Amino acid sequence: RKEVEQDPGPFNVPEGATVAFNCTYSNSASQSFFWYRQDCRKEPKLLMSVYSSGNEDGRFTAQLNRASQYISLLIRDSKLSDSATYLCVVKGGGPGNQFYFGTGTSLTVIP
Amino acid sequence: DGGITQSPKYLFRKEGQNVTLSCEQNLNHDAMYWYRQDPGQGLRLIYYSQIVNDFQKGDIAEGYSVSREKKESFPLTVTSAQKNPTAFYLCASTDRGLGNTEAFFGQGTRLTVV
Repeated sequence: RKEVEQDPGPFNVPEGATVAFNCTYSNSASQSFFWYRQDCRKEPKLLMSVYSSGNEDGRFTAQLNRASQYISLLIRDSKLSDSATYLCVVKGGGPGNQFYFGTGTSLTVIP
Repeated sequence: DGGITQSPKYLFRKEGQNVTLSCEQNLNHDAMYWYRQDPGQGLRLIYYSQIVNDFQKGDIAEGYSVSREKKESFPLTVTSAQKNPTAFYLCASTDRGLGNTEAFFGQGTRLTVV
């Protein structure tokens, strides 16, 4: 079983739409949670950390459900520039306090 | 500016050759990681190092080797034993502390076997 599982998509949505990505993780001892954004042929960059109480950054909202081992990312009012792959990342709970990456969910925002 | 630098950006290897990918960081991070990314797949951990002179195998270490002689540097050698080395290689570093300490990535090296 993979440490982190994501729906790979692709998600194709019109500008202005709201889109949600989900992610599950297998290790209940995981400690930290993140969403990263990766543009084509580039390195991943941190979009936002995910806190237990949920957190919002502009049009982006992240939520964590530890009981269900589930993380979500909601993007409101999608922009063309949001087109990218979104990686769910889980840290800790294993040797070396490693990061575990999901395969990513591809989003294309259509004009 | 602090950051993590990988070189080269593109690398071509003949079959049977060893090649070394460079990763340098000036963030004073203790932990460094090497990942491989194939099309349509997530990042897979090759090796990681939590401290100088120590490193551990990740999920796909076969055919790779690393060293950590300095805190700032974590080079990856792709040996001839790696049968399918064509991929995008990413180096990352992080503060070893617990909590919401994010990973910072280099710009990646795209390795192609010719």
